[in-house]
Amino acid sequence: DTAVSQTPKYLVTQMGNDKSIKCEQNLGHDTMYWYKQDSKKFLKIMFSYNNKELIINETVPNRFSPKSPDKAHLNLHINSLELGDSAVYFCASSQAPTVNTEAFFGQGTRLTVV
Amino acid sequence: GEDVEQSLFLSVREGDSSVINCTYTDSSSTYLYWYKQEPGAGLQLLTYIFSNMDMKQDQRLTVLLNKKDKHLSLRIADTQTGDSAIYFCADFTGGGNKLTFGTGTQLKVEL
Repeated sequence: DTAVSQTPKYLVTQMGNDKSIKCEQNLGHDTMYWYKQDSKKFLKIMFSYNNKELIINETVPNRFSPKSPDKAHLNLHINSLELGDSAVYFCASSQAPTVNTEAFFGQGTRLTVV
Repeated sequence: GEDVEQSLFLSVREGDSSVINCTYTDSSSTYLYWYKQEPGAGLQLLTYIFSNMDMKQDQRLTVLLNKKDKHLSLRIADTQTGDSAIYFCADFTGGGNKLTFGTGTQLKVEL
């Protein structure tokens, strides 16, 4: 049973399109995250939600809009896609944001904007 | 702000020990982690250390923390070809409510 699952695994789309990436966790965790990994493998946090509330927004362009319908889901919608958005996007979850807890990562969504 | 740095590449021979180093800047880090990323895969937590510890050993893995110098290392004993991956250190700051990842070290294990 997959703990953190993301769909789709691969996404190829044209500039200017709008796309969504979905993430679901079945671990009962309170906190979910989106990370972006660029072509040099650098990982940077984008958003963090705790119990459906946004707690971190790391200077991400407002073309990126996370949505958390419930604490098991955190979807990422991207408007007007640009070439520079090409990256691997990882969803993660953890039990709580303020205590030590393992963050579980999804397998990633490789987004290619052409 | 937080900054976590690692050397980008490390090459070792099978059976040797690997030591991957990491430096961080945030003195309020409470927990420090090592994650492993295999090609095309997500991140897998290997081990972590609480900031009031100096050392933690877990089978082939040894984590050393020098809090004064803000230096963290991961030693892998008897490195195997299956250990080839990118290794990320990360620090967690309660105030920041987030994991900040290092730049990643690509470990290559040669026969």
